[in-house]
Amino acid sequence: KNEVEQSPQNLTAQEGEFITINCSYSVGISALHWLQQHPGGGIVSLFMLSSGKKKHGRLIATINIQEKHSSLHITASHPRDSAVYICAAATEETSGSRLTFGEGTQLTVNP
Amino acid sequence: DGGITQSPKYLFRKEGQNVTLSCEQNLNHDAMYWYRQDPGQGLRLIYYSQIVNDFQKGDIAEGYSVSREKKESFPLTVTSAQKNPTAFYLCASSLRGLLRQPQHFGDGTRLSIL
Repeated sequence: KNEVEQSPQNLTAQEGEFITINCSYSVGISALHWLQQHPGGGIVSLFMLSSGKKKHGRLIATINIQEKHSSLHITASHPRDSAVYICAAATEETSGSRLTFGEGTQLTVNP
Repeated sequence: DGGITQSPKYLFRKEGQNVTLSCEQNLNHDAMYWYRQDPGQGLRLIYYSQIVNDFQKGDIAEGYSVSREKKESFPLTVTSAQKNPTAFYLCASSLRGLLRQPQHFGDGTRLSIL
């Protein structure tokens, strides 16, 4: 069983729909990162959170530490949101902090 | 503009050959990381370094080697001992730890076996 699991693996939506991607983790984390990977392979950081909720434009990320669960929401989805969305758990080790990644959710938004 | 530069974008390796992937950052970040991505799998950590002249093995370090002689550079060598090197390799950096800092990524290098 992976330490970080995402669902769904694939998601297809129509433009304008509200989208939710879920992430569950089994490790004791210090923070949870949400990343976006574009078709060319480049990755950008969307959010980093350790409690509560963060919002940036049409993107909202929430985390429930007790339930070890985080969600990424996209409101009013658009075809340009099509990408792979990855959650990653940040853990602190004696040798420094590191990320453990989920397998990603492939999102396709059709016009 | 600050960022992470990986080169080359595409790389081909012959059997039994070592190849080195370059990663340079001008963000003045202390920590640097190398990841491998295979189709349908999440990113896996190969090596990471928190400071110059020090680095740690990640989850899949076998067949790889790194050096951190300068703060801005963290090259990865894929040795002939790595039997399945075909993958997408990503370099990343962060200011310090990942508890309060985002991670910045390069654009990646695609390595293939000839």
